[in-house]
Amino acid sequence: GAVVSQHPSRVICKSGTSVKIECRSLDFQATTMFWYRQFPKQSLMLMATSNEGSKATYEQGVEKDKFLINHASLTLSTLTVTSAHPEDSSFYICSANLPGQGSTDTQYFGPGTRLTVL
Amino acid sequence: GENVEQHPSTLSVQEGDSAVIKCTYSDSASNYFPWYKQELGKGPQLIIDIRSNVGEKKDQRIAVTLNKTAKHFSLHITETQPEDSAVYFCAAIPRRNDYKLSFGAGTTVTVRA
Repeated sequence: GAVVSQHPSRVICKSGTSVKIECRSLDFQATTMFWYRQFPKQSLMLMATSNEGSKATYEQGVEKDKFLINHASLTLSTLTVTSAHPEDSSFYICSANLPGQGSTDTQYFGPGTRLTVL
Repeated sequence: GENVEQHPSTLSVQEGDSAVIKCTYSDSASNYFPWYKQELGKGPQLIIDIRSNVGEKKDQRIAVTLNKTAKHFSLHITETQPEDSAVYFCAAIPRRNDYKLSFGAGTTVTVRA
């Protein structure tokens, strides 16, 4: 199946610093990539939709200046959490769409990044 | 928008028994229904999916059924094993060209040895 990687898998940072998370589709070119946030024992919450070469589309309530998304190529999207605070601590997961042939794309997820802000 | 409800929230089964998780959706235009398995500390893994032109799909011990009239779909796991213990999420895509998944709340499955 399609493989999506994320880096780093785990990061601990001090309050006020910025953290960048990379998401890569390893063996396919993704038409669209997504960024999710997941709190313990909860479902995935979509933060933004990212398309290569264009601005990301953010979900309601997600601050675009806080969570910067750059989609530089069809295989790489980055999420930067700017001026991180303890309430930003969470599990961040990206996904990438594997283009379908005449049908809906299939979405594959990365392994997630555990962010802890002290 | 699409609203996906998932039941039960927790499910405990004896090893070797079957597990069934049910989801309902609200948007009749939804046409793609994937199921994901998430182990602790990991990202969701696609285990099976079904499209609206099919009523049932099977892959070894896993099967998914879809009832478009009633707007519900179910995941069936037979001959459960301890490694099946995880959180399972159903999802739906509301429209043909809208790639955003709407997720259910998740079901924590525990397989007792």
